[in-house]
Amino acid sequence: DTGVSQDPRHKITKRGQNVTFRCDPISEHNRLYWYRQTLGQGPEFLTYFQNEAQLEKSRLLSDRFSAERPKGSFSTLEIQRTEQGDSAMYLCASSLGSRGDGYTFGSGTRLTVV
Amino acid sequence: AQSVSQHNHHVILSEAASLELGCNYSYGGTVNLFWYVQYPGQHLQLLLKYFSGDPLVKGIKGFEAEFIKSKFSFNLRKPSVQWSDTAEYFCAAGNTGGFKTIFGAGTRLFVKA
Repeated sequence: DTGVSQDPRHKITKRGQNVTFRCDPISEHNRLYWYRQTLGQGPEFLTYFQNEAQLEKSRLLSDRFSAERPKGSFSTLEIQRTEQGDSAMYLCASSLGSRGDGYTFGSGTRLTVV
Repeated sequence: AQSVSQHNHHVILSEAASLELGCNYSYGGTVNLFWYVQYPGQHLQLLLKYFSGDPLVKGIKGFEAEFIKSKFSFNLRKPSVQWSDTAEYFCAAGNTGGFKTIFGAGTRLFVKA
């Protein structure tokens, strides 16, 4: 078990372009979360999956954002028509079970929109 | 509204000093509480967690935290810090279902050797 993997580690894109990030959770974890973190702030909740079902989305997740978790394994987060305000670290985490045992985080994808 | 507030954004201590980082939360219903740590260049890691029972919980590396329900607080403590404790510490609160955990803004701790 190598933990939660995120790809890419860094992404620089021009404003208006689409970007997609991937997260591979710990294999036996059925829950997967996406968070966004900006400088000087803690992680902000974006969305959450239980298996393949997306069960909750934050209001932060505008219609330019979409997340999927096909087959309940890896997940992708796509941002369409990126804006400079989307520049942030995008964190993925996973967990097992329903008690909220704490999350295992990946190293994140740092997005810079120029 | 749900929120987690950390009292200090930056803390500087000398080695062997005692540490206490403040955390207050506002979260409806039964709450699970966490402290996460992020060492320089590393990902967020769980330091300790509270679900129920003994309000004094012990975590890794000599850290402990005390849940005081009447004060909506979950402060992190360590009797004697080491240079290797230099990191950013995040307090977090979540529901018993385990999703939508919210985080404080973090406290950056620097320990002088």
